Amino acid sequence: EVHLLESGGGLVQSGGSLRLSCAASGFTFNNYAMSWVRQVPGKGLEWVSTISANGVATYYADSVKGRFTVSRDNSKNTLSLQMTTLRADDTAVYYCAKYSMTAVTNGFDYWGQGTLVTVSS
Amino acid sequence: DIQVTQSPSSLSASVGDSVTISCRASQRIGVFLNWYQQKPGQAPKLLIYAASTLRSGVPSRFSGSGSETDFTLTISSLQPEDFATYFCQQGFSSFGGGTKVEIK
Repeated sequence: EVHLLESGGGLVQSGGSLRLSCAASGFTFNNYAMSWVRQVPGKGLEWVSTISANGVATYYADSVKGRFTVSRDNSKNTLSLQMTTLRADDTAVYYCAKYSMTAVTNGFDYWGQGTLVTVSS
Repeated sequence: DIQVTQSPSSLSASVGDSVTISCRASQRIGVFLNWYQQKPGQAPKLLIYAASTLRSGVPSRFSGSGSETDFTLTISSLQPEDFATYFCQQGFSSFGGGTKVEIK
C-alpha cells in the first residue's frame, strides 16, 4: 500500500526558513516523479514544485522560484522541500504527491495527509 | 504559463441530478487535463486523467470529456458521497480554482 507521510511543518516567522520532508513507502520510489502541492485551508490547490524520478530535473511555481528547493534521497525514499525567505502568503497545508505511473501529465494518484506551515508576520 | 479557469465556483444540486463542471485552459493542452475530488479534511483524490480516462475504482457515474482548451466533468447521477469540491489540473502542474458541489 502506498503511503506518503509529510513532516516538518509548523510556525515560523516571516523571512524564516523551514524544511519539509515526505517519507514514501509501498512503491518503488526512484521510479516516480514527485511533487509538492499546497492549499490554504478552505481555498484552492496550488502546485508548488516537481522533481523527476532521478532528481535531475526540478520545476517550480513562479510564486516560490528562487526561495524553495525541492530534493529527494532515493536511497531513503524521502522527498524534501527547503523553504527560505518565507512570507505570510506561504501559509498553507503542504501536500506531498506521487505522480501516476504512466506519465506526469496523468495527475497525482497518491497524496500524503499534509503538513501545515504557518508564517507569522 | 498556462492558466486553467474552472466554472462554476459552486453549485447546488439534489441526489440523482446530473451535474457538469467546466475547465478552460488558456492554451491548447491536448488531453492533458485531470480531475480530482476533495472532501473536507482530506487530501484530493484523482478521479479522471487524460481528460476522459476513469481511474480504476472510480464509479462510472463520473465522466470527463474535452480536448485542447475546453473540458468537462460530468457526474451523471449525484450520490450523497459526491458532495465535495472538484478541481481540474492541467498537465503536471496548475489547478483550477475548484467547484464546490453542495446539497440543494
